[in-house]
Parts: sequence; structure tokens; C-alpha cells
Amino acid sequence: QQQVKQSPQSLIVQKGGISIINCAYENTAFDYFPWYQQFPGKGPALLIAIRPDVSEKKEGRFTISFNKSAKQFSLHIMDSQPGDSATYFCAASMASGTYKYIFGTGTRLKVLA
Amino acid sequence: EAGVTQFPSHSVIEKGQTVTLRCDPISGHDNLYWYRRVMGKEIKFLLHFVKESKQDESGMPNNRFLAERTGGTYSTLKVQPAELEDSGVYFCASSQDWQLQETQYFGPGTRLLVL
Repeated sequence: QQQVKQSPQSLIVQKGGISIINCAYENTAFDYFPWYQQFPGKGPALLIAIRPDVSEKKEGRFTISFNKSAKQFSLHIMDSQPGDSATYFCAASMASGTYKYIFGTGTRLKVLA
Repeated sequence: EAGVTQFPSHSVIEKGQTVTLRCDPISGHDNLYWYRRVMGKEIKFLLHFVKESKQDESGMPNNRFLAERTGGTYSTLKVQPAELEDSGVYFCASSQDWQLQETQYFGPGTRLLVL
């Protein structure tokens, strides 16, 4: 049973375009939603994270939009660059217990030059 | 400051053999997590240490997997005997304070292939 569903599986965007990756979760006890970026041969690295008390968080070209009622959140990459080509994972965790992450299946993004 | 390191980076073994993966977390980090990604699927939680104690083993697939964390520093994950379905990338992650919901820092992973 997958608790965090991520789409699309892969995405191709032109340089300068907007990349959008969506995630949906089921467990309303989740209260921390990070996005991780992974380049080939490297481990996932935290990109940006949000908590449910805000609907949007922006850091540079990266924005998380959060819809608590719909149990959905998304990553927007503005002015996408070839250097953004990587695999992106959304995740969720609870503010109790082990804080373990429940990950989505990942989105492989390719930005064309 | 050194990040999370994992050894080996790759391992190819035959079914029935034993493999031991090692993780060195960031110095001073109390929390250590093991995750696994099977090709094309999500990264799945295996277990969580707080210092030397196992806090949550709910993600361990079966008793062929044994994890230890000696003295609350590095950790090892042993698979014995390995099966074909154990192939995947094993990630280790660490975070600083076990009482807080903090960023988890991931290592580069160990790519395990069981033939």
C-alpha cells in the first residue's frame, strides 16, 4: 500500500520552462513534507520542505504548493535549467515516533538545453 | 564537515552469499536510518537507530536482514543469505537530534546486485 503517490514518472521540459511534479498522500497524520533531489551516483539531498500550516513556500526558483484539504502537494521549478535534470522525490513524515520518511516513487526530470 | 558515507558503493554477489553494508553518519548525529530503493519503486524505510538502540524495525523485510550500530557511531546492515529480491540501492541517512523532526542527510547509497 503506497501512502504517497507521485506523478509523473518522467518529465521533459524545455530550458526556461516550468516543471511541475505532484504528490498526494493518504495519512492525515503526516505533518512534514520534504522534496529531495538526486543526481546520478549521489544520494538524495533536501531541496525544500513544507509543513501544513502554510499553503506555499518558495526558495529561489523552487516552490512547494500545499493543499491540505485535497491532501496534495506539488513542486514547481521555475525557469528550469539543464542543471536541474535529476530525479525528484516527494516524502512525508509524522511529528511523532521515528520521523521516518514515506517516499513517492520519484520523477525523472530532463531539461533540454 | 564530512557527509554521510557508505561502503561499498557497489556489490555484486550470488544468491545465498552474505553481504555487509556499512554506513558512517555525520559526526554527532544521534539518528541513523536505513532505506532501500528497488528499481523503479519508492525509497522504502527499513529501520531507525537512536544512538545504539533500534527505535523502529518495522521496515525490515525478514530475518535475513540484521542491522547493528556499534557504540552509536557507524552502522552495518548484513544480508544473510542474500536472495534475488534483495537487489537494490541501500541508502543510509542521519539527523542530529532524536527529539526533533529534522532534515535527514543521505549517503550516496550502496548498489547491491544479487545474481
